[in-house]
Amino acid sequence: DGGITQSPKYLFRKEGQNVTLSCEQNLNHDAMYWYRQDPGQGLRLIYYSQIVNDFQKGDIAEGYSVSREKKESFPLTVTSAQKNPTAFYLCASSRLGTQRSGENIQYFGAGTRLSVL
Amino acid sequence: AQSVTQLDSHVSVSEGTPVLLRCNYSSSYSPSLFWYVQHPNKGLQLLLKYTSAATLVKGINGFEAEFKKSETSFHLTKPSAHMSDAAEYFCVVSDRRGSQGNLIFGKGTKLSVKP
Repeated sequence: DGGITQSPKYLFRKEGQNVTLSCEQNLNHDAMYWYRQDPGQGLRLIYYSQIVNDFQKGDIAEGYSVSREKKESFPLTVTSAQKNPTAFYLCASSRLGTQRSGENIQYFGAGTRLSVL
Repeated sequence: AQSVTQLDSHVSVSEGTPVLLRCNYSSSYSPSLFWYVQHPNKGLQLLLKYTSAATLVKGINGFEAEFKKSETSFHLTKPSAHMSDAAEYFCVVSDRRGSQGNLIFGKGTKLSVKP
């Protein structure tokens, strides 16, 4: 089955700890995204990547880092600098062509819920 | 600048009655508009999209939305609600001019369906 797999489903972070959220897609999409979702606030873009070894900051990149070493993988690290990491994190992917035409249909994973111990 | 406003944070309907979820947008360019649905603790699923073809767009599960440029609206409707429609719905705008991942999400409308 084609799709986007996020793991783990639930994650707990201790004070001062970095944690990494996994996102893998087998849709052969060029572009991948990370969003943060807080209650009543919709989704906010953290980072996105249009091509391997390149990524761009979104609206709320502070305290987060990403890498894109493979087309199918886009892991997100929540660093100790992120003082309020408790949220639901969603990964998405899309074809690059649809972005440039403005259609930008993004497909989402099932999410990772991060909490602080 | 683009923005999207979902006019109701919570809508409650009875099963079998019509659903109306309201969305207004602001965009400097010809926008693409989307509705996504999210069931509890799940990812988002695309319901329907408008990309400058027909102004009345039909989506999955009996939902449809009408693009009204004069009113800058893209309201989501369904003639008859089902219990399985209970979820959170997001209106999303994408600037056609954009060459990167610029989707702007509304804050969501939670739909409750009473038996």
